[in-house]
Amino acid sequence: QVQLQQWGPGLLKPSETLSLTCGVYGGSFRHFYWTWIRQTPGKGLEWIGKIHHSGSATSNPALRSRVTMSVDTSKNQFSLKLSSVTAADTALYYCGGVMYDTYYVDVWGKGTTVTVSS
Amino acid sequence: QSALTQPASVSGSPGQSITISCTGTNNDVGAFNFVSWYQHLPGKAPRLVIYDVSERPSGVSDRFSGSKSGNTASLAVSRLQPEDEADYYCSSHASENSFLVFGGGTKLTVL
Repeated sequence: QVQLQQWGPGLLKPSETLSLTCGVYGGSFRHFYWTWIRQTPGKGLEWIGKIHHSGSATSNPALRSRVTMSVDTSKNQFSLKLSSVTAADTALYYCGGVMYDTYYVDVWGKGTTVTVSS
Repeated sequence: QSALTQPASVSGSPGQSITISCTGTNNDVGAFNFVSWYQHLPGKAPRLVIYDVSERPSGVSDRFSGSKSGNTASLAVSRLQPEDEADYYCSSHASENSFLVFGGGTKLTVL
């Protein structure tokens, strides 16, 4: 059973870069696309992007210019960076796993609340 | 504004049935049989309850069922129980550029 554990700072100032990491435990790192999803207050869920263990990544067109994702296969970890944050990026951020050839998030991290405030 | 449209809230009494709708477009819900539904309790990670429109993951009660007609998908919950009270989100594949789109969520209240 794959489990995800995520971590990163919970408080940022405007213009800073959000940085989150998710560790994968108990399963194959190579059988999933690893994804990031956020829940903004009052707006529901928003897909941020996904990354393959090879490093190939796709992100939401609305966020693409500010999103960088990476993987560290030696540690079974993947990471998200979101640059130039504003208050609109205040959200609960989840990491997740999508098995190949599927289109649903099969495994979720517990979420990290990120607040952007001056 | 979410890509998929869900009602903000639905309610029902224990033992009753409810349905939550999820309306998209010809580019997402209507184009693919890749609609999924998630149950979300405060402070917990979302839990997959339906995938590929109508498939139930192992361990999910058969009281949960999914369907789709045109650009609208639906989640039905029968024989409501108090523990079903949660937020429910729909999601659909849209394209490789918009891999997953989500609804705004529906709060299910069990009266």
